[in-house]
Amino acid sequence: SSELTQDPAVSVALGQTVRITCQGDSLRSYYASWYQQKPGQAPVLVMYGKNNRPSGIPDRFSGSSSGNTASLTITGAQAEDEAVYYCNSRDSSLYVFATGTKVTVL
Amino acid sequence: QVQLVQSGAEVKKPGASVKVTCKVSGYIVTELSIHWVRQAPGKGLEWMGGYDPEEGETIYAQKFQGRVTMTEDTSTDTVYMELSSLTSEDTAVYYCTKWGAIPTVGTWWFDPWGQGTLVTVSS
Repeated sequence: SSELTQDPAVSVALGQTVRITCQGDSLRSYYASWYQQKPGQAPVLVMYGKNNRPSGIPDRFSGSSSGNTASLTITGAQAEDEAVYYCNSRDSSLYVFATGTKVTVL
Repeated sequence: QVQLVQSGAEVKKPGASVKVTCKVSGYIVTELSIHWVRQAPGKGLEWMGGYDPEEGETIYAQKFQGRVTMTEDTSTDTVYMELSSLTSEDTAVYYCTKWGAIPTVGTWWFDPWGQGTLVTVSS
């Protein structure tokens, strides 16, 4: 089965830009979706498709994809963006989540 | 706007089964595809399965095949996930979530999510 790989953790200074990447063979065929999860809360969809933000997600979040890599970029990170971010992709009829990236805002 | 409200926490003994409820409001359940994702304590998200309109059937992750059943009650707009032969490894928060897709452009997503149901398996 397909696997998706993310860096375990990344830090960013307040107001700076951070890019979170997700790699996997399935990303050559399908777009990733991205989820933000804060402690004790359910995941929240923040990005899907080529670069689609659900209603209510700030425009500092953007997405991109190239080859086997999908990226979620936070431009001008805020304290409230500190969370774990998971990418997800379809693989045939199944769905796979990566292990998540913990984003710390310094 | 769809809302998903799940049943309360459960404590089960090893070998037992658990049935988690996901009540849908704002939509008729037959208009939706609901999937289930779980998260063990301190771990990441794990997709379990759900109804795939493209396949016309409920699909399950291989890991749970034969042990999980996902059903719906159209009279109450409620979706159920039953997991049997529980072990301590099944201790997790279980989430229901609405599946969305634009298949022609290779795009799928899960939104929104229920609040989660903690299932604890302990003797």
